[in-house]
Amino acid sequence: SQQGEEDPQALSIQEGENATMNCSYKTSINNLQWYRQNSGRGLVHLILIRSNEREKHSGRLRVTLDTSKKSSSLLITASRAADTASYFCATPPTGTASKLTFGTGTRLQVTL
Amino acid sequence: KAGVTQTPRYLIKTRGQQVTLSCSPISGHRSVSWYQQTPGQGLQFLFEYFSETQRNKGNFPGRFSGRQFSNSRSEMNVSTLELGDSALYLCASSALQGRNTEAFFGQGTRLTVV
Repeated sequence: SQQGEEDPQALSIQEGENATMNCSYKTSINNLQWYRQNSGRGLVHLILIRSNEREKHSGRLRVTLDTSKKSSSLLITASRAADTASYFCATPPTGTASKLTFGTGTRLQVTL
Repeated sequence: KAGVTQTPRYLIKTRGQQVTLSCSPISGHRSVSWYQQTPGQGLQFLFEYFSETQRNKGNFPGRFSGRQFSNSRSEMNVSTLELGDSALYLCASSALQGRNTEAFFGQGTRLTVV
C-alpha cells in the first residue's frame, strides 16, 4: 500500500516557471527522499531530508519537511523541459533503512 | 563506478510460466531491494536482501521469491505468472551505512505477461 498521497497528481507549467509538489505520509520516519522517474525508466535519487531537518537545498531543488503535519514539499525553480518526469516521495519507516514506501507521484510536464 | 544493472530490460512471458530477473548492485553495496511498479498500484516494495539473507518482505504472494548471492547480485523469481504480474520491476541497491542512506535504482525490467 502507498505511504501517502502526492499533490497534485499532474502539473503542467512553462519553462522558466517554478514547480511545487507536495507529499503527505502516514507513519514516523527517519528521513524522506524524493526521486524522479523519466517515462517508465528507473528512479533517480534527488534529495534526502532527515527527520530533524526542516529545509534542504540542492541546485534548483528545495525540499521542506514538516514532521508535525507529516508532509513535505519539493520546489523546482526555473523549470526546464528536461525536468519533465514523474516525481515521487519515499520514506523508510522508522527502524528500517531500505524498505522504501512511495507516494503516488506527481507527473510534471514542462513545455517550451 | 558502474550503476545498478538489471537484465533483461524487456521480457514477454505467457500465463503460467515462470520468470527470473537479475540485478547487479553497485560495487560495494550489500543491500538489494526489489519493487514492482504498475499503473494501478504504483510502486510497491517486494523484498530486501542483505548479505544473502532476506531482511524485509512486502505483501506479495509466495509466487514471488528472491535470493542474493555472495557477490551481492540478486535474482527474483515469479512462478505461475498471471496477467496482473505485468509490471516494471525495479531493483535498488544501497550501502546501508546507517539509516539515512539513499537507494540507487536500475533501469528496470519491463515484464509483459500474455
